[in-house]
Amino acid sequence: QQQVKQSPQSLIVQKGGISIINCAYENTAFDYFPWYQQFPGKGPALLIAIRPDVSEKKEGRFTISFNKSAKQFSLHIMDSQPGDSATYFCAASKGSTLTFGKGTMLLVSP
Amino acid sequence: GAGVSQSPSNKVTEKGKDVELRCDPISGHTALYWYRQSLGQGLEFLIYFQGNSAPDKSGLPSDRFSAERTGGSVSTLTIQRTQQEDSAVYLCASSLDVDTQYFGPGTRLTVL
Repeated sequence: QQQVKQSPQSLIVQKGGISIINCAYENTAFDYFPWYQQFPGKGPALLIAIRPDVSEKKEGRFTISFNKSAKQFSLHIMDSQPGDSATYFCAASKGSTLTFGKGTMLLVSP
Repeated sequence: GAGVSQSPSNKVTEKGKDVELRCDPISGHTALYWYRQSLGQGLEFLIYFQGNSAPDKSGLPSDRFSAERTGGSVSTLTIQRTQQEDSAVYLCASSLDVDTQYFGPGTRLTVL
């Protein structure tokens, strides 16, 4: 049973474009939704996170949009740069453990 | 300060052998997590420690997998009688609060 479904698996965006990655969850008890960024050969690093009491959170070029009724949340990367090329994981938690999506490999072309 | 460190960075072993993977968390972090990352499969939760106790070990895939944590610090993940399907990157993370987990660089395990 996959509790967090992430799409697309891979994404190619031109430099300056908007990258959008979507996630859907099943467990309504989840109360924390982070996004992690992973570069090759490195461990994932927390990028941005949101709690369900707000519908949007923005940090620089990164924005999380959250739709509680639809049980969906998404990551938007504005003005995408080649340095943003990485694998992105959404996750959800209730308590101390995180359930991750399967990841999206983003390539930003110069 | 130093981040989470893991050793070895790479491990190649033969099917049937036992392996031990080590994780040194960030000093002072009470929570420690082990994950397995296989190609195209995301991060699979294995086990969670709070201090030296493991309140959630629901992700361990079989009884060949075990983990311990001593002194509220270093943790070791042991895989007995390794199988080819155990080949993956094993990631460790630590945290001080429930929100932010800090990951190590992982150990790439290859079972021949």
